[in-house]
Amino acid sequence: GESVGLHLPTLSVQEGDNSIINCAYSNSASDYFIWYKQESGKGPQFIIDIRSNMDKRQGQRVTVLLNKTVKHLSLQIAATQPGDSAVYFCAESGGDYKLSFGAGTTVTVRA
Amino acid sequence: GAVVSQHPSRVICKSGTSVKIECRSLDFQATTMFWYRQFPKQSLMLMATSNEGSKATYEQGVEKDKFLINHASLTLSTLTVTSAHPEDSSFYICSARDKGVANTEAFFGQGTRLTVV
Repeated sequence: GESVGLHLPTLSVQEGDNSIINCAYSNSASDYFIWYKQESGKGPQFIIDIRSNMDKRQGQRVTVLLNKTVKHLSLQIAATQPGDSAVYFCAESGGDYKLSFGAGTTVTVRA
Repeated sequence: GAVVSQHPSRVICKSGTSVKIECRSLDFQATTMFWYRQFPKQSLMLMATSNEGSKATYEQGVEKDKFLINHASLTLSTLTVTSAHPEDSSFYICSARDKGVANTEAFFGQGTRLTVV
């Protein structure tokens, strides 16, 4: 079946550098996308979302880019900090209230 | 922001017993709640959609009689793992979306670590 997936399972980044996490989705009917951060032993935390009528959205230190042509989603984290170390998931929804999650990218920030 | 509370955060039970996990939306009403299961180093897998006042909708491959879901009010859904076995050991997470608001973020509980011995 269709699912959301992530390109890279792990990402190591130097503290202070920018991070880019990628996500490929295959359900063309999806119209809402969310990035979540999950720390060990905890539930996912909302980071940022974007609707399909947009191609870019910015938050505090984070930017989400959506390319519907190639069904690609990315999360950019500016000036990565040690507290950003976690697993990041993209999730998509097609209006039925269900969220489908990608595989997750583990981000490790080097001091 | 909206808060979803999940209880207990950790539970250890003996094989063959049943365990109930609660999921509460604390400051909003949730017509629909979702239950996920997560194995170590893996993604969240949707188990079922809990609908207030009606039967839950289960994903393919999830046993209805094994994972009983009750959504008795707009702020509470429960998942009962019946006759638990070691293979049921996992991290269970619930989420809820605000009633009547389409395409908004889902708020997640803190998860329940179930260990069956």
